[in-house]
Amino acid sequence: SQQGEEDPQALSIQEGENATMNCSYKTSINNLQWYRQNSGRGLVHLILIRSNEREKHSGRLRVTLDTSKKSSSLLITASRAADTASYFCATDNDYKLSFGAGTTVTVRA
Amino acid sequence: EAQVTQNPRYLITVTGKKLTVTCSQNMNHEYMSWYRQDPGLGLRQIYYSMNVEVTDKGDVPEGYKVSRKEKRNFPLILESPSPNQTSLYFCASSSRGGEKLFFGSGTQLSVL
Repeated sequence: SQQGEEDPQALSIQEGENATMNCSYKTSINNLQWYRQNSGRGLVHLILIRSNEREKHSGRLRVTLDTSKKSSSLLITASRAADTASYFCATDNDYKLSFGAGTTVTVRA
Repeated sequence: EAQVTQNPRYLITVTGKKLTVTCSQNMNHEYMSWYRQDPGLGLRQIYYSMNVEVTDKGDVPEGYKVSRKEKRNFPLILESPSPNQTSLYFCASSSRGGEKLFFGSGTQLSVL
């Protein structure tokens, strides 16, 4: 069953702006991960945050995790056209990863 | 190069004709998994394997079979494909369950 739900479903921003998307989940997790998918291709892992961590950075990506609210956010700063993609959160529950339906991000030049 | 290799990339078949989608990884990963992706539904897990000879059902296992006889290979078998199995399929692997997944390029399957 799907655990994570991303919000919004779609996001359109201007190049250089920040993009924020959220993920909510239902049950306790070991970790939460974010993936990117370009146009029907294989997913690429972006970042993993464990349940005892609150924030993590990787380049222009910032991920937060609030286990009390069962939610996470992914912030992409200074967006570029190459960031146009679908972004998925995945929650690790019992060593299985469950994916949400994704947020489609379009970065306009 | 570390990778997960899926074949074929595209497959068109007819209802009831058995098919196999192959998946191989060269990273000595213990965990392997199959997902299907349908518009608006994200990725749904079909089967997964924690190690050789250990497989278990995911969320949508009906109509699929898998085997894990060797660590590197995890084929997906559709014994009698039906049109509702038309989908984009992904194989993925990780060092162990719950960790960072490496994905194959996907197999677009159409069942007529």
